[in-house]
Amino acid sequence: EPEVTQTPSHQVTQMGQEVILRCVPISNHLYFYWYRQILGQKVEFLVSFYNNEISEKSEIFDDQFSVERPDGSNFTLKIRSTKLEDSAMYFCASRPHVTPDRGVVGGYTFGSGTRLTVV
Amino acid sequence: ILNVEQSPQSLHVQEGDSTNFTCSFPSSNFYALHWYRWETAKSPEALFVMTLNGDEKKKGRISATLNTKEGYSYLYIKGSQPEDSATYLCAFTQKTSYDKVIFGPGTSLSVIP
Repeated sequence: EPEVTQTPSHQVTQMGQEVILRCVPISNHLYFYWYRQILGQKVEFLVSFYNNEISEKSEIFDDQFSVERPDGSNFTLKIRSTKLEDSAMYFCASRPHVTPDRGVVGGYTFGSGTRLTVV
Repeated sequence: ILNVEQSPQSLHVQEGDSTNFTCSFPSSNFYALHWYRWETAKSPEALFVMTLNGDEKKKGRISATLNTKEGYSYLYIKGSQPEDSATYLCAFTQKTSYDKVIFGPGTSLSVIP
């Protein structure tokens, strides 16, 4: 079964450093997402990406964050200057196209996550 | 602020028992309701996506119902097995923001052999 793969599985970084989290979505999916879960809290939406641009972003996704699909297969999340409160599990997800009447075709497929620890 | 609630927060049942838990969400502007199963150290696995009031979906021993008018969904597990132990996440999207999924806090299920 096709999978969404994320690397690395765990990253430790110094506060103020830049980190790039990498994801390879399922190849025929068109919509891509990043979510995060701070330990003990809910899974939170960060950003959605379609047709090479951000389609929606949350209030968490400020100027410190950016996303990119540099080569048609990878989908990256960059945090420019990490803060302690950025420590969380970051999940990438992808899903197939949405039908013309905006019906949902299948659910989201999530990667196994990258645990980011900012020290 | 849109909120998705799930109850109970955690549940312990004996193997063979049937169980159910609830997801409640804002009923206005509804687009879709998702259920995910999330085992420790793995990624969330999609169980169901429901869009229509009255939808019922089934996958093996797990089934779900949807009431969009009153804003709730039930997930049922018949004859729980230890391998059903996981956190069950409910997630909701709205018509005006169908690309933004709002997750509930989850119900943690432990099935005791």
